[in-house]
Amino acid sequence: DARVTQTPRHKVTEMGQEVTMRCQPILGHNTVFWYRQTMMQGLELLAYFRNRAPLDDSGMPKDRFSAEMPDATLATLKIQPSEPRDSAVYFCASGLVLTGDGDEQFFGPGTRLTVL
Amino acid sequence: AQSVTQLGSHVSVSEGALVLLRCNYSSSVPPYLFWYVQYPNQGLQLLLKYTTGATLVKGINGFEAEFKKSETSFHLTKPSAHMSDAAEYFCAVSGGRRALTFGSGTRLQVQP
Repeated sequence: DARVTQTPRHKVTEMGQEVTMRCQPILGHNTVFWYRQTMMQGLELLAYFRNRAPLDDSGMPKDRFSAEMPDATLATLKIQPSEPRDSAVYFCASGLVLTGDGDEQFFGPGTRLTVL
Repeated sequence: AQSVTQLGSHVSVSEGALVLLRCNYSSSVPPYLFWYVQYPNQGLQLLLKYTTGATLVKGINGFEAEFKKSETSFHLTKPSAHMSDAAEYFCAVSGGRRALTFGSGTRLQVQP
């Protein structure tokens, strides 16, 4: 049963520390998305990649957030330095986008980040 | 530009009653529409999607949704609610080669 995996599932850190979240997309998928979910803002798209190239990162605070795909099996989202307002659940999703935007995205279980 | 409005952040129904979750969208291009469900402490799972063709779409767990272009709506229904349907439901729109834009979600409570 192929699924998206995310590590860690939970992270508690102190303000100013670096946080790295990892995602393993489903093998064969060519598109990876990063979302953030908070009570106040709901689900927000942070960035997404197709064939490992960044297509859109306009939802990401550029000064502290960075997203990369070192290879096809790993996507990372890094926050440096972290702030309390970054506390949220971060979801990774992957999909096989062939014809446009009608293709399903498969979500990972999320990383619950708490910044003290 | 795309947007989604979900009417009602909380909906409560009795077990066995009709479930109706409302979704209206805005899109400058022909939309692809999705409903996702999120159970506590889990990621989102696709319930159903509309891309082209038949406007009444059937999904998993007995849910279905109807695309009504004239009303820019994509409401989710289920004839008879089950306790296990209690979750948060998200409507989403995609179009113009962009990622999904989600609504704010509707939390469904099912009363015994």
